[in-house]
Amino acid sequence: EIVMTQSPATLSVSPGERATLSCRASQSVSSNLAWYQQKPGQAPRLLIYDASTWATGIPARFSGSGSGTEFTLTISSLQSEDFAVYYCQQYNIWPYTFGQGTKLEIK
Amino acid sequence: QVQLVESGGGLVKPGGSLRLSCAASGFRFSDYYMSWIRQAPGKGLEWLSYISGGGHFTIQADSVKGRFTISRDSAKNSLYLQMNTLISEDTAVYYCARGQGLADSWGQGTLVTVSS
Repeated sequence: EIVMTQSPATLSVSPGERATLSCRASQSVSSNLAWYQQKPGQAPRLLIYDASTWATGIPARFSGSGSGTEFTLTISSLQSEDFAVYYCQQYNIWPYTFGQGTKLEIK
Repeated sequence: QVQLVESGGGLVKPGGSLRLSCAASGFRFSDYYMSWIRQAPGKGLEWLSYISGGGHFTIQADSVKGRFTISRDSAKNSLYLQMNTLISEDTAVYYCARGQGLADSWGQGTLVTVSS
């Protein structure tokens, strides 16, 4: 099973600033990497797939990069609605696995 | 628009069974793989199983293999998860999701609690 490790566990950032979230895979997943956003009491929402492709309706301030084992999600200018938990997920090999999440909180 | 609505969750005793349902609308159901993903309270996400559009191919995670069975009924636009021999570690919110690999739409989830 591929283990996905996200860092940091919690990130405190002020609105309007940039946030950078990291995800590392225990072995290469090529570009088969997705990012999801989850707010309290809600289901996750797909943000990015194929490491860098926006899902439908996702604002351009979200961007993904990386390949192989190292990936990054960047939110260029944080809005109030962006404070949530973010998960990375690999879909290169079954079982598909998620990271443990990064909680993005208001500083 | 795509809508997925889960039902069937609840409280069940260890060793018991439960069948979850997911009603799909807003898209051509038979064209899509469908999945079940769960989230234990305060924990991360676990992809449990998926099924092909025609229902002929399924796969399950080791944690539920032999206990959980995914199925679908395209005439009813519905996805199912039959859960047998439930254990306390199965306590979670269960989400149905559209896709295999990528979950591009999710239901609101249904809570399953396994406790005596």
